[in-house]
Amino acid sequence: GQSLEQPSEVTAVEGAIVQINCTYQTSGFYGLSWYQQHDGGAPTFLSYNALDGLEETGRFSSFLSRSDSYGYLLLQELQMKDSASYFCASGNSYKLIFGSGTRLLVRP
Amino acid sequence: GAVVSQHPSWVICKSGTSVKIECRSLDFQATTMFWYRQFPKQSLMLMATSNEGSKATYEQGVEKDKFLINHASLTLSTLTVTSAHPEDSSFYICSARERNPGERQPQHFGDGTRLSIL
Repeated sequence: GQSLEQPSEVTAVEGAIVQINCTYQTSGFYGLSWYQQHDGGAPTFLSYNALDGLEETGRFSSFLSRSDSYGYLLLQELQMKDSASYFCASGNSYKLIFGSGTRLLVRP
Repeated sequence: GAVVSQHPSWVICKSGTSVKIECRSLDFQATTMFWYRQFPKQSLMLMATSNEGSKATYEQGVEKDKFLINHASLTLSTLTVTSAHPEDSSFYICSARERNPGERQPQHFGDGTRLSIL
């Protein structure tokens, strides 16, 4: 089977840095993606790691360690608008399996 | 680029009604489209994968006679929820794969359809 586990909820203060972890068990691995979803909205693509290491895109960075079956999303300089659900997803253009999701609450 | 349009965005209907949801790729050809379902505070669950001109492949536990998928062209896929019941109420999201997808963003998502069955 395939599963991607994330913490269910994370709370942080505006301006702070927060890390959302994702551990996965998949048969075959094609990369780890991260998506943001606001309530009632569609998932928005944030980042993708095919290889080990850190990918930086503005305030968001994503890290992958294939040997540890682990990745994380790092959000810096948190803003109120970053309050949303964040999903890691394993796979490629042919199939994506989504993680359990992490609800991020940013407080003033 | 790579815009996916989903329609309608919101549907409320009576139990027993059949509901059709459309998913269109506006500026690219989508050789494969995907349908997901998401219940409140839960993750996206893949329901089925459809390739243009062929039958959809359903995930385990998804009733193919209940959720009819048609992918008649490279820019349109439809999901029909037949004889919908309150337990079918959910957020349905489609996504599309380009013919030559980029390495970074594997699928492009529509805005979703919120289905409420009374």
